[in-house]
Amino acid sequence: GDSVTQMEGPVTLSEEAFLTINCTYTATGYPSLFWYVQYPGEGLQLLLKATKADDKGSNKGFEATYRKETTSFHLEKGSVQVSDSAVYFCALYNTDKLIFGTGTRLQVFP
Amino acid sequence: NAGVTQTPKFQVLKTGQSMTLQCAQDMNHNSMYWYRQDPGMGLRLIYYSASEGTTDKGEVPNGYNVSRLNKREFSLRLESAAPSQTSVYFCASDEGARSPQHFGDGTRLSIL
Repeated sequence: GDSVTQMEGPVTLSEEAFLTINCTYTATGYPSLFWYVQYPGEGLQLLLKATKADDKGSNKGFEATYRKETTSFHLEKGSVQVSDSAVYFCALYNTDKLIFGTGTRLQVFP
Repeated sequence: NAGVTQTPKFQVLKTGQSMTLQCAQDMNHNSMYWYRQDPGMGLRLIYYSASEGTTDKGEVPNGYNVSRLNKREFSLRLESAAPSQTSVYFCASDEGARSPQHFGDGTRLSIL
């Protein structure tokens, strides 16, 4: 069946460092791909999305490119801030369900 | 902008007790979902409703029932709570057709 694999956390960075969180997927057909972010005590919020191969989703300085050849959708940010500390979930939408990865906790220190 | 509203936010139950988690959305979305979030396991789909009047099982439906009361409301019921159901429960909704899901803030449920 369809699945999403994320790098395990926590990822610990200093402020202004470069961020990469790896995400790979297994799916039949042509899924849509998403990154969601969860701040402490809150529900998930959509961060960015891509619906077809080579699409780049971007929001709040975060980017991810839909790579069908490597079945990947890695999240990147050039300069993280303390306020980016959260749990990040990669997800794919295929047929009628959203399938999540296990989440990666990001901790950014000043 | 209320979005997706879940009640209660916290609840402690004893094994064997029953309770209903409430969810309402004000975005006129067709589809609604219930997930549980456990450490190291991401979110797992319990039940979903693609439209008013329909419900379907997700990945982990055992021990739960749902009701799509109308287009706005989708409730999750635990008939006889078990410690394994201690979790954070999230309700979500979307327009369907691969649109992004909108989440509530969650219900933190502990079963002793």
